[in-house]
Amino acid sequence: AQKITQTQPGMFVQEKEAVTLDCTYDTSDQSYGLFWYKQPSSGEMIFLIYQGSYDEQNATEGRYSLNFQKARKSANLVISASQLGDSAMYFCAMREGTGGFKTIFGAGTRLFVKA
Amino acid sequence: DAGVIQSPRHEVTEMGQEVTLRCKPISGHNSLFWYRQTMMRGLELLIYFNNNVPIDDSGMPEDRFSAKMPNASFSTLKIQPSEPRDSAVYFCASSLRTQLETQYFGPGTRLLVL
Repeated sequence: AQKITQTQPGMFVQEKEAVTLDCTYDTSDQSYGLFWYKQPSSGEMIFLIYQGSYDEQNATEGRYSLNFQKARKSANLVISASQLGDSAMYFCAMREGTGGFKTIFGAGTRLFVKA
Repeated sequence: DAGVIQSPRHEVTEMGQEVTLRCKPISGHNSLFWYRQTMMRGLELLIYFNNNVPIDDSGMPEDRFSAKMPNASFSTLKIQPSEPRDSAVYFCASSLRTQLETQYFGPGTRLLVL
């Protein structure tokens, strides 16, 4: 069964430093997509970055990069040069290629950026 | 481009009343999803549609919940009768038809049932 695990309920990072948010997944599919979403205190879910299981390069989007280690089934989010506005809840999610349209989400990691 | 649109943004109602949440997906997106988010259970998928057809409603908590998608640009989630435990944030999301495409979320509806 597919599963997403985020083991860090909360994390602190100093402004301008980099931070890594952990995500591990479990699937028997060969084809799947991995996503990260940000949910600020205002409540909306903001798509950040996507990694396909067949992508050989790690995905990057501005200050966000996804450290994809397929053999370890991990998809960690790296935020470089943290900003105060990065303080939010972050969700890792997975969508299986052959399992239909479902996306499953992890429990989330709350990131606090300190000035 | 307009994103996913949800209405109302906030809803306060009394137990036993009917609640209808509305969603307009991104134009051209063929898949639509309804989620519920609570502190206790996190983000749960309630139902999803593909080409206006419900594909999987196994996440719908009980018969009090129903969802429709009469056309490609509109969906509703109805709760009748509502109960205090239905209080949550309800999100609608849409994606392109391709299975691995990113889902884009609406701003959510905060529902409080007194």
